Amino acid sequence: DQQVKQNSPSLSVQEGRISILNCDYTNSMFDYFLWYKKYPAEGPTFLISISSIKDKNEDGRFTVFLNKSAKHLSLHIVPSQPGDSAVYFCATLGIQGAQKLVFGQGTRLTINP
Amino acid sequence: EAQVTQNPRYLITVTGKKLTVTCSQNMNHEYMSWYRQDPGLGLRQIYYSMNVEVTDKGDVPEGYKVSRKEKRNFPLILESPSPNQTSLYFCASSRVGRIQPQHFGDGTRLSIL
Repeated sequence: DQQVKQNSPSLSVQEGRISILNCDYTNSMFDYFLWYKKYPAEGPTFLISISSIKDKNEDGRFTVFLNKSAKHLSLHIVPSQPGDSAVYFCATLGIQGAQKLVFGQGTRLTINP
Repeated sequence: EAQVTQNPRYLITVTGKKLTVTCSQNMNHEYMSWYRQDPGLGLRQIYYSMNVEVTDKGDVPEGYKVSRKEKRNFPLILESPSPNQTSLYFCASSRVGRIQPQHFGDGTRLSIL
């Protein structure tokens, strides 16, 4: 039973345009969300997070939006750069276990020059 | 350099032959965790540890053991590996605290024949 879902396995975007990665979750009790970025042969690295008391958080080219009523969050990358090509995982902190990360399936983003 | 180091990075072995994947972190983190990544499922937590001698099960602990005798090390033990444990494994560490971002190692790809 996938509690965090990323329904797009892959996304292709032109360099310089906006990339939008989407994530849905099932439990309204989840209160903290994170995005991780993963390059081949490397571990995931933390990118940006958002608490449920906010609906937006920005860090440079990266913005995460949270829609609690829809149980949906999205990551916007503007402008997209070739180095952004990676797999992006949406994650939330599980309710049971203080720091367990519950991950989505991942979306492979490809930025085309 | 702050890092989480896993060994080996790749291993092909046979069913039933005990193996250990080591994980070491140099950031003095209290929290450590093991995840496995499988296609279409994202990363799922196997075991975690809040501090030395304190370990607990994650979502998919069957067939695995861990120990935490020292703060920096958190080995993952497969006593009798089976083909369904073929996967990509990640170790992670962080300070204790729900919103502390976890730092991941570069992964260990295990193939059990």
